[in-house]
Amino acid sequence: GAVVSQHPSWVICKSGTSVKIECRSLDFQATTMFWYRQFPKQSLMLMATSNEGSKATYEQGVEKDKFLINHASLTLSTLTVTSAHPEDSSFYICSAPRDRDLEQYFGPGTRLTVT
Amino acid sequence: EDKVVQSPLSLVVHEGDTVTLNCSYEVTNFRSLLWYKQEKKAPTFLFMLTSSGIEKKSGRLSSILDKKELSSILNITATQTGDSAIYLCAVRNNNNDMRFGAGTRLTVKP
Repeated sequence: GAVVSQHPSWVICKSGTSVKIECRSLDFQATTMFWYRQFPKQSLMLMATSNEGSKATYEQGVEKDKFLINHASLTLSTLTVTSAHPEDSSFYICSAPRDRDLEQYFGPGTRLTVT
Repeated sequence: EDKVVQSPLSLVVHEGDTVTLNCSYEVTNFRSLLWYKQEKKAPTFLFMLTSSGIEKKSGRLSSILDKKELSSILNITATQTGDSAIYLCAVRNNNNDMRFGAGTRLTVKP
């Protein structure tokens, strides 16, 4: 099946710093990728849709200046958490559809801890 | 606003029991409903349902969509401890946006 990778899988950073998370589709091209966050014991919440070659579409309530998304190529999207705060600590997951008619393929997730 | 509601939120059963998990939705421009199993990390895909009344099966798991009732069920027969997980239901619209339900936490005791 299709594979999506994320890097890093786990990161700890200090308050005020920025963290970049990469999402790659390893064996298919993805014009669209999705970024989610998940708090403990809660479901996935869609943050934004990353579009190759154009601006990302953010969900209501998600600050676009804080969560910068760049879809640099057909196989790579990055999420940068700028000026991170402890409340940004969460599990961030990306997904990509290989084809509009098929299911989403999820990355393994990145656990961010901001101290 | 699009909404996905799962029930129950939590369920504890013994090995060998059969469970039924529910998912109801309100979404504009429905495209498909998906079920995922989440253990320790990212969700793993179980089923994608687009047509009403057609059951999808994979081993002890099966699922069916009822577009008239705007709902789906996920059945697990002869449960095992390895079935313990959070089961997520998600609905996708024609823009490929996905909305997830809160999940059902299933615990299967030996």
